[in-house]
Amino acid sequence: RKEVEQDPGPFNVPEGATVAFNCTYSNSASQSFFWYRQDCRKEPKLLMSVYSSGNEDGRFTAQLNRASQYISLLIRDSKLSDSATYLCVVIAYSGAGSYQLTFGKGTKLSVIP
Amino acid sequence: DGGITQSPKYLFRKEGQNVTLSCEQNLNHDAMYWYRQDPGQGLRLIYYSQIVNDFQKGDIAEGYSVSREKKESFPLTVTSAQKNPTAFYLCASPPPGWGGVTEAFFGQGTRLTVV
Repeated sequence: RKEVEQDPGPFNVPEGATVAFNCTYSNSASQSFFWYRQDCRKEPKLLMSVYSSGNEDGRFTAQLNRASQYISLLIRDSKLSDSATYLCVVIAYSGAGSYQLTFGKGTKLSVIP
Repeated sequence: DGGITQSPKYLFRKEGQNVTLSCEQNLNHDAMYWYRQDPGQGLRLIYYSQIVNDFQKGDIAEGYSVSREKKESFPLTVTSAQKNPTAFYLCASPPPGWGGVTEAFFGQGTRLTVV
């Protein structure tokens, strides 16, 4: 099983739709979780961190389920500008004071007029 | 302002040449990573370093080499042994997993093209 898995998509949704992405992780020592957004031919940019209590930023809601080892991202009222690839990023403690950074392969979202 | 700087942004290489991509960070982070991304593909780990003077191979290390002589710097050399080096290269330097972060910990990337 891969360490961090995402549905690659693409997810094609109409404007105004609600879309949800999931990301599962296998390392139970994972401590920090993030959603990044990557536009074509650009570097990934931080969208939001994911906290155990869940967190919301405008139209975006992120949640963490430690028991089932997955994180989710919900986008409400999709805009054309939301079209991008969404990357799940996990940081896990790997012993001796070191941390391991792992990416999902990304989920591609296309919002259609 | 703290951040990660990659240079150059665009790089052209002739076949058979070695090239070195620069990654510098002033975030005082111990860990640094190099990833490769091909069009329409996810990020693949080339090399990573958790501490100065130490580094480990990632999933696709063949044809690449790195050094970590200083905490701030983690240069990546793409050698002539790399069969298909044309790609987008990203450097990352995440903080320890102490919780949420507000800064993005990627450089802007270097697009390498073999001509």
